[in-house]
Amino acid sequence: SAVISQKPSRDICQRGTSLTIQCQVDSQVTMMFWYRQQPGQSLTLIATANQGSEATYESGFVIDKFPISRPNLTFSTLTVSNMSPEDSSIYLCSVEVWGESTDTQYFGPGTRLTVL
Amino acid sequence: KQEVTQIPAALSVPEGENLVLNCSFTDSAIYNLQWFRQDPGKGLTSLLLIQSSQREQTSGRLNASLDKSSGRSTLYIAASQPGDSATYLCAARTYSGGYQKVTFGTGTKLQVIP
Repeated sequence: SAVISQKPSRDICQRGTSLTIQCQVDSQVTMMFWYRQQPGQSLTLIATANQGSEATYESGFVIDKFPISRPNLTFSTLTVSNMSPEDSSIYLCSVEVWGESTDTQYFGPGTRLTVL
Repeated sequence: KQEVTQIPAALSVPEGENLVLNCSFTDSAIYNLQWFRQDPGKGLTSLLLIQSSQREQTSGRLNASLDKSSGRSTLYIAASQPGDSATYLCAARTYSGGYQKVTFGTGTKLQVIP
């Protein structure tokens, strides 16, 4: 299993500013994922962050808007840049744990972002 | 492209009832299917994971089944309790272009009334 913490747990930000969200895992993992969950909707994958390489972004998400860092195997950050009210969402960090016969996904508690 | 649908979107039941949540997926070539619980404003908690070679998994009052041929999974909750109130999400894992991809359903919001 994996225990994931995120900071901050919530924030209220002004339009045009940026927020960096931190994700810490209690064990070393190869792949970390950042998801967005807009109000009333399911999860959408923003990007996959592998240590030592550039993050891979999903269609509709770009590095200038959502820069990601992955300095080591237990930590990652996601920055939401030049925010607008449409960026108000819960942002979730996730990791995969590869077992002998299964791959299980674990999630952090999320960061609830409100942009005014 | 995998699409995952959950019906109903919302469900309200009296305490003690047994209930079934449904999850449908369009691409039957899944690697596994995972059920999660999400409390309001919180992250996701993994409940059960079914490998593609399995037909069901059980944990306490929860039982999840998988029928790949029909593209369906169900989550059965026995003797529901108010503490079961949450949104339940299913997620199908497939391989696409050499990479694993997880597609989430839209969720079923469950309310168990005392």
